[in-house]
Amino acid sequence: QQQVRQSPQSLTVWEGETAILNCSYEDSTFNYFPWYQQFPGEGPALLISIRSVSDKKEDGRFTIFFNKREKKLSLHITDSQPGDSATYFCAAPNSAGNKLTFGIGTRVLVRP
Amino acid sequence: NAGVIQTPRHKVTGKGQEATLWCEPISGHSAVFWYRQTIVQGLEFLTYFRNQAPIDDSGMPKERFSAQMPNQSHSTLKIQSTQPQDSAVYLCASSLGGGNYAEQFFGPGTRLTVL
Repeated sequence: QQQVRQSPQSLTVWEGETAILNCSYEDSTFNYFPWYQQFPGEGPALLISIRSVSDKKEDGRFTIFFNKREKKLSLHITDSQPGDSATYFCAAPNSAGNKLTFGIGTRVLVRP
Repeated sequence: NAGVIQTPRHKVTGKGQEATLWCEPISGHSAVFWYRQTIVQGLEFLTYFRNQAPIDDSGMPKERFSAQMPNQSHSTLKIQSTQPQDSAVYLCASSLGGGNYAEQFFGPGTRLTVL
């Protein structure tokens, strides 16, 4: 059973557009959601995160929207840039706050 | 700060051979994690050490896989009798603490190819 689901699997946007990445989860005990960004040949790197007490977290062009009732999150990348082309993972740690469960990822391509 | 160091970056083994993967966590980090990444399964947790002690190995295949952390500066993941299905990128991560939602910093990974 997938604990963390992501959609779409891939997404292509034009430079300047907003990319919207979706994430949903099963486990109600999940209360912290980091999003990781991964470029080819590199390990994932933390991009932005949100705790379940918040419904929105913004960091520059990246914003997480969180709907706890529906167990859904979305990552919005506004004014997308070619350098944003990467794979984005939604993740959730276990109750101890350590072991991460990752979604399958969304591969984003930003065309200039 | 060099970040998490993983060696080798690429390893090719023949079926049945042994593979040892090395990880050097960020200095001062007390927690070390191992994950496996494949196209089909995505990123999967394997095992976790805190202050060099094994805490959770629930993701480790019961046979052929083992991990150690003999000192605070490195951890190893050993796969005995490698099989083609072991082909994956093996990622090591470290964090300041093992809990409290501490950010995990990932290394670049070791790409293991089993022929």
